[in-house]
Amino acid sequence: GENVEQHPSTLSVQEGDSAVIKCTYSDSASNYFPWYKQELGKGPQLIIDIRSNVGEKKDQRIAVTLNKTAKHFSLHITETQPEDSAVYFCAASIYDMRFGAGTRLTVKP
Amino acid sequence: DGGITQSPKYLFRKEGQNVTLSCEQNLNHDAMYWYRQDPGQGLRLIYYSQIVNDFQKGDIAEGYSVSREKKESFPLTVTSAQKNPTAFYLCASSARTGVREAFFGQGTRLTVV
Repeated sequence: GENVEQHPSTLSVQEGDSAVIKCTYSDSASNYFPWYKQELGKGPQLIIDIRSNVGEKKDQRIAVTLNKTAKHFSLHITETQPEDSAVYFCAASIYDMRFGAGTRLTVKP
Repeated sequence: DGGITQSPKYLFRKEGQNVTLSCEQNLNHDAMYWYRQDPGQGLRLIYYSQIVNDFQKGDIAEGYSVSREKKESFPLTVTSAQKNPTAFYLCASSARTGVREAFFGQGTRLTVV
């Protein structure tokens, strides 16, 4: 099955800086790549997603890029704010959905 | 008010007992998923179902069982064969095609006592 690797496992940035989280996947048939944000004790919530026929997608301070040839995709958060602090997960999907191990992002005021 | 509901939020089980976690959705989604989350780890896929009366094993299906008799419901049974069942369990649902965003429930925290 699909294997998704995510780096880094923890990331600490100053408020206003940018944060980048990277993921790789193993199955070239995967065609849907969502990113989720999870706050303590809650279920993950989708923040942005990208399909395999698109190279980049942006939504305000959040952007995702996809390189199908290299089988990796990245999450970019600009102008980080303390409320961005959470655990972020990437995932890759064909008919199922496999997740990376998560990145704990801390934004210091 | 559409969404996905897991119950109960907290569950305690004695060793050797089976327990069933409930997951219900009213989003008219065909696909449903069960994940296990341990501290410091990601979400590991237990089972998933693309349509009613059909489901597939994920990466860690041993010691678990599911059923999908109705589109709205995808209960997960943690059996006594699961050696380390204490974890946070998350259920999700999504469309199979088109907009495929997966919506998650709030989770069930299972503790074996």
